[in-house]
Amino acid sequence: LAKTTQPISMDSYEGQEVNITCSHNNIATNDYITWYQQFPSQGPRFIIQGYKTKVTNEVASLFIPADRKSSTLSLPRVSLSDTAVYYCLVGDLRGGSYIPTFGRGTSLIVHP
Amino acid sequence: DVKVTQSSRYLVKRTGEKVFLECVQDMDHENMFWYRQDPGLGLRLIYFSYDVKMKEKGDIPEGYSVSREKKERFSLILESASTNQTSMYLCASSTRGRDTGELFFGEGSRLTVL
Repeated sequence: LAKTTQPISMDSYEGQEVNITCSHNNIATNDYITWYQQFPSQGPRFIIQGYKTKVTNEVASLFIPADRKSSTLSLPRVSLSDTAVYYCLVGDLRGGSYIPTFGRGTSLIVHP
Repeated sequence: DVKVTQSSRYLVKRTGEKVFLECVQDMDHENMFWYRQDPGLGLRLIYFSYDVKMKEKGDIPEGYSVSREKKERFSLILESASTNQTSMYLCASSTRGRDTGELFFGEGSRLTVL
């Protein structure tokens, strides 16, 4: 059963780089790692996805070590609008069905 | 852009009432999911469906049922609402595939059961 572990909360200041690490010790060989962002009273939205090494898009970077047992979401130069809950997600294969399983997420608060 | 529409943003129901939460997606996605979200617990999967008329239980199916008669629509049903089902309900859809793919979520339906 794939599980993820993230810090419950983090604090940062505007302009800083924020790194949120997720542990997924039991990740399956062909599982991807996906991160979502959620603002209050909204559904989560996709940020980034990767399988190994590094992935970068216009919003964030995702670093995945060779053993893939963890991953780190990196948000460059955060602003107040990056205050949100961030979820790390890996798949959970049950009886042949693939189920996206969310953890409890990391609540990021960005201070002025 | 993919759009996932949930029928009601806010509902207030009484204990014992039957409640229908509707979800419609417009991108021909095979997969649809219902989650509930409670403070401190993250998102927990209630039911999911990988095809029309197909349904699978998630982590917390008790007290819920679902219906998928058409590909674009996935309904969550509370046969007899109880106060412990007061929560935010989130519907999501995605294309079929081994990896997570990108889940597209609706805005959520906040249900209060009195």
